[in-house]
Amino acid sequence: SAVISQKPSRDICQRGTSLTIQCQVDSQVTMMFWYRQQPGQSLTLIATANQGSEATYESGFVIDKFPISRPNLTFSTLTVSNMSPEDSSIYLCSVTGTGYLTDTQYFGPGTRLTVL
Amino acid sequence: GENVEQHPSTLSVQEGDSAVIKCTYSDSASNYFPWYKQELGKRPQLIIDIRSNVGEKKDQRIAVTLNKTAKHFSLHITETQPEDSAVYFCAASIGRDDKIIFGKGTRLHILP
Repeated sequence: SAVISQKPSRDICQRGTSLTIQCQVDSQVTMMFWYRQQPGQSLTLIATANQGSEATYESGFVIDKFPISRPNLTFSTLTVSNMSPEDSSIYLCSVTGTGYLTDTQYFGPGTRLTVL
Repeated sequence: GENVEQHPSTLSVQEGDSAVIKCTYSDSASNYFPWYKQELGKRPQLIIDIRSNVGEKKDQRIAVTLNKTAKHFSLHITETQPEDSAVYFCAASIGRDDKIIFGKGTRLHILP
């Protein structure tokens, strides 16, 4: 499977600021997704990052709060805008389209965000 | 909307015994069912998956069964070991484009 990295690995931010998280894959992938995992909870899909077009957001998530870019088949960014303490969470990217079984999802290491 | 229910939320098993985690899904079009293991502070790792054209799949001590009629699937871990202690998530595919939704997770404790 592909090697997936995320930057930063963790950050502590002030209320009202924004943070951009990067997801880099070492090979071209078909799909890229962004998830949120709040402390002790399951994974919630935020959006599908579409290459060359606007992301597809899940119910409860909007582009103004979580703008996403995917300029090519190996890279995506998620921005958490105008942050509040409720945004404190782990944000993970995942990819499909690596290896033989193209729909299997593999996860990046995550970005642990704390908002004060 | 579509959802995946997972039970139990916590499971304690004596080392060497078996553990079973059960999930049900709502979308009859779901055809892919992965299971992930997440250790504390780590990313979810795929441990086994099953597709709708088979009823059971086994990989060493781990097996998954699928009942499409009843819309439920289960993870079975035999001869449990301390390193099996983790949170386990089931998931089911929804729609197209490789999207999956997750159950709420099961925290598995292996007791010495």
